[in-house]
Amino acid sequence: QSVLTQPPSASGSPGQSVTISCTGTSNDVGGSNYVSWYQQHPDTAPKLILYEVNKRPSGVPDRFSGSKSGNTASLTVSGLQAEDEADYYCSSSAAINKLLFGGGTKLTVL
Amino acid sequence: QVELVESGGGAVQPGGSLRLSCVASGFTFRTYGMHWVRQAPGKGLEWVAIISNDAKSVSYGDSVRGRFGISRDNSRNILYLQMDSLRKEDTAVYYCARKDISGWAIDYWGQGTLVTVSS
Repeated sequence: QSVLTQPPSASGSPGQSVTISCTGTSNDVGGSNYVSWYQQHPDTAPKLILYEVNKRPSGVPDRFSGSKSGNTASLTVSGLQAEDEADYYCSSSAAINKLLFGGGTKLTVL
Repeated sequence: QVELVESGGGAVQPGGSLRLSCVASGFTFRTYGMHWVRQAPGKGLEWVAIISNDAKSVSYGDSVRGRFGISRDNSRNILYLQMDSLRKEDTAVYYCARKDISGWAIDYWGQGTLVTVSS
């Protein structure tokens, strides 16, 4: 099963900004507006934090933002807080009626 | 509030079968497409399958196609995943998840049910 490429880890100090990338192909990320990002804390279910590249569900702080350029989508977390330490996953629609996930990025707040 | 509650997980031998269920509440179930997503211990998320709101369209990930079957009962608000010919690599927490109404985001997740395939 193909996987979107994310860096395995990222880190930043409180108050700083961190950007996590998600690279696919023109058949998924590059050709889709349906890129989403999920946050997962240990032993809990994932939580949607961005959808359609840069839209935030109700209740998600505006510290979380998204963008896309070509085949790469990005999640930026600004003003890092301790509770942002978690695993982050991107996803994208692909082909007909399929969904792909990234391999996940562990974000550490130093 | 939206709630998705999975059940049916457990231990099974390689080659065996298991059926997972997911009871949905707090929303109009028949209006939404639904996914199954799994996560092997210590690993990332893997998409398993999707079913349309009316069950007329289904699709599967490459690693489960031909072995797993997704279905739903809109009269009882239940999503199912029939898993046959199970392999050790199918060991994972299986999440029931709701597809957002207009796109491809997963806007709600269940708490997951653990499936362990081992001899």
